[in-house]
Amino acid sequence: LAKTTQPISMDSYEGQEVNITCSHNNIATNDYITWYQQFPSQGPRFIIQGYKTKVTNEVASLFIPADRKSSTLSLPRVSLSDTAVYYCLVGPSNFGNEKLTFGTGTRLTIIP
Amino acid sequence: SQTIHQWPATLVQPVGSPLSLECTVEGTSNPNLYWYRQAAGRGLQLLFYSVGIGQISSEVPQNLSASRPQDRQFILSSKKLLLSDSGFYLCAWNVNGQAPLAFFGPGTRLTVL
Repeated sequence: LAKTTQPISMDSYEGQEVNITCSHNNIATNDYITWYQQFPSQGPRFIIQGYKTKVTNEVASLFIPADRKSSTLSLPRVSLSDTAVYYCLVGPSNFGNEKLTFGTGTRLTIIP
Repeated sequence: SQTIHQWPATLVQPVGSPLSLECTVEGTSNPNLYWYRQAAGRGLQLLFYSVGIGQISSEVPQNLSASRPQDRQFILSSKKLLLSDSGFYLCAWNVNGQAPLAFFGPGTRLTVL
């Protein structure tokens, strides 16, 4: 998997939009970008995945610029329940037997 | 649909005692399987991963071992637990051909006293 860099922590107030950026300068042509969310005492769960431009689902949006060297996870109008750790992973579509390693993630704290 | 089970959910063990945590996956075949450990307030540490029956790769030298006796069964073991083995243990699976998309079990909270 490509090396990724994220902020260690972020704070935001309820109702605001939160953007978490992940840098992946060494992303390969066939790599996808995947974000996970982890609540305390739970395993990470898949949020969103994309290859280029913009992807949106009911939970979040993922913005990927043309050079694909970074990506931004956007959470609209956050609530206290969005307090969690968010992980960015970058890996190939032909995953093969490559091990799945996570970085330290971004600890997002929503303030009432 | 696919599901992943882990048990037990919580475990309190004395130092020096053995350990066996089990993970099973349903609804898929030939998954890649992973064991992670997460210490309090820390990130996910990859312990073992397996691409097939009997094929185990170890990431961190320690007193833990893993086995995969069946295609969808992954077991984490120790002969003698250390205090430092306390943590939250997570099993995960994915399949080849899916970009880094993985699914996690509910986890086991292990406390070694």
